[in-house]
Amino acid sequence: ETGVTQSPTHLIKTRGQQVTLRCSSQSGHNTVSWYQQALGQGPQFIFQYYREEENGRGNFPPRFSGLQFPNYSSELNVNALELDDSALYLCASSLDYTDTQYFGPGTRLTVL
Amino acid sequence: GENVEQHPSTLSVQEGDSAVIKCTYSDSASNYFPWYKQELGKGPQLIIDIRSNVGEKKDQRIAVTLNKTAKHFSLHITETQPEDSAVYFCAAGRGSTLGRLYFGRGTQLTVWP
Repeated sequence: ETGVTQSPTHLIKTRGQQVTLRCSSQSGHNTVSWYQQALGQGPQFIFQYYREEENGRGNFPPRFSGLQFPNYSSELNVNALELDDSALYLCASSLDYTDTQYFGPGTRLTVL
Repeated sequence: GENVEQHPSTLSVQEGDSAVIKCTYSDSASNYFPWYKQELGKGPQLIIDIRSNVGEKKDQRIAVTLNKTAKHFSLHITETQPEDSAVYFCAAGRGSTLGRLYFGRGTQLTVWP
């Protein structure tokens, strides 16, 4: 086990709704990265937070937003959900932004 | 941006045989190459990684080789066991600057007893 936890495990939403996913980093890690993994694909980078500041963003629209808190836990928020947002959302924590990333178990989001 | 290609997409081997998965990358600035194993219903688990100042790294039955000139790297698993069955992902990143990783599309490895 990596020590990275995510909640909830599964989530079902309808198109147009908003969702918040949560991640608790491994102890001592100040960096969290979020990835979207569609079925049968590799994870795709959404964004990264380092010491509460965004430190890079992938090719995702602004309706994907995030936060990192002083205890280094993190949230991923998605507004105006679309059917294509259905995926496994993974967070990964690392000691700092140059270091090895350790993934949590993911949150399975289904948009109907 | 970086483009990582991974082959094969599926691989079946007999228990005890070796398995090799190959990846290529496009960005010569990439200098960090981790491999992850993902079992059904779980998040990716790091199994080995290599940085570009090293050509080969080994950890028990698992080894990774890196050819910077050709921009390819490979995962070698020897003496495979049924519990090695999973999806394996290669990834590339610029470990010294940005933390984002670019992943391949994965290889479904099945080890038959």
